Amino acid sequence: RKEVEQDPGPFNVPEGATVAFNCTYSNSASQSFFWYRQDCRKEPKLLMSVYSSGNEDGRFTAQLNRASQYISLLIRDSKLSDSATYLCVVLNYNQGGKLIFGQGTELSVKP
Amino acid sequence: GAGVSQSPRYKVAKRGQDVALRCDPISGHVSLFWYQQALGQGPEFLTYFQNEAQLDKSGLPSDRFFAERPEGSVSTLKIQRTQQEDSAVYLCASSLAGLGYNEQFFGPGTRLTVL
Repeated sequence: RKEVEQDPGPFNVPEGATVAFNCTYSNSASQSFFWYRQDCRKEPKLLMSVYSSGNEDGRFTAQLNRASQYISLLIRDSKLSDSATYLCVVLNYNQGGKLIFGQGTELSVKP
Repeated sequence: GAGVSQSPRYKVAKRGQDVALRCDPISGHVSLFWYQQALGQGPEFLTYFQNEAQLDKSGLPSDRFFAERPEGSVSTLKIQRTQQEDSAVYLCASSLAGLGYNEQFFGPGTRLTVL
């Protein structure tokens, strides 16, 4: 079983839709959590960190439930430019700075 | 400013050949990471340097993989006697400091195809 697991994709949604991605992690010692975005044939880029209290950045809302070891990302009013693969990422400082990635969920927003 | 750069961007190797992949981190970044990303998967950790010291190489798949960062700046990932299963994108990332979390900035990757 992978340490970080995500919903299988792809998600195909129309413009303006709300879409939610879920992720679970198995290492309870994980300390930091992130969502990265990766465009086709490009490098991953940090989308947002995820905090226990939940956090929002424009149309994007991230939630963390440490008890359930569950992370989510909600995208409201989706745009064509949101089409990408979204990677759930965890970090355990006791393992150095290495990031543990989920397999990614592909999102395709259609006109 | 300049980001992380990697070369070559694409590499085709015949099975059994040795390859060397280069990473130029952001100037002043202490930490450097290598990840391997197979098609349809997320990146997987290979190894980590803090300056010139290789602090974690637990992700290297076999002793055919070797990484170095002799002067604490540029890093090279070498794969000896390449196999088809080595085909992947090799990503390099750098960050400011080793303690705590600092954002890792990724290079564009080297896409390795082993025939």
